[in-house]
Amino acid sequence: GQSLEQPSEVTAVEGAIVQINCTYQTSGFYGLSWYQQHDGGAPTFLSYNALDGLEETGRFSSFLSRSDSYGYLLLQELQMKDSASYFCAVRTAGNMLTFGGGTRLMVKP
Amino acid sequence: DVKVTQSSRYLVKRTGEKVFLECVQDMDHENMFWYRQDPGLGLRLIYFSYDVKMKEKGDIPEGYSVSREKKERFSLILESASTNQTSMYLCASSRPQGATEAFFGQGTRLTVV
Repeated sequence: GQSLEQPSEVTAVEGAIVQINCTYQTSGFYGLSWYQQHDGGAPTFLSYNALDGLEETGRFSSFLSRSDSYGYLLLQELQMKDSASYFCAVRTAGNMLTFGGGTRLMVKP
Repeated sequence: DVKVTQSSRYLVKRTGEKVFLECVQDMDHENMFWYRQDPGLGLRLIYFSYDVKMKEKGDIPEGYSVSREKKERFSLILESASTNQTSMYLCASSRPQGATEAFFGQGTRLTVV
């Protein structure tokens, strides 16, 4: 089976940079995704890494190291609206998508 | 605009009842998923379907079954609801090979009493 580890909670101040790490153990790894979920809302897609390296989308970046089975989501210039839960998810053979336990990010003024 | 629609936002059922959770997507996606979400446990995969009538067990299939008779519809069935199945249930869909993004419904909050 698959297992993913990420911190349960992270706190940061507005305007700061925060990094949310994810380590995974899986077979048939295709790529690592990140999703954001606000309280009461549905998860929404943020980014996907299939190859090693950094992918940047605006204030958000995601990194993958396949050899280390490790990735992270980097959020820059934090805003209050970034307070949410963030999930890493691995895509494996057959397009199955398995999620981690989620990291609750609290942004303080 | 892409859409995944779950039939109910809130549902209350009695122990032992047979429960159907319905999910419909309008994106012609081959892949559909059912997850349950519990505090501190993230999203746990119950079942996955990659085509009509095709299904794969996820991490926690016990006590659940699924039905995919049409491409756009994926149903989750609780054969005999129990209180430990009280949870938020999320349906998602995605394109097949090469796709990277899954689209989620708004979820069904199921309470079994």
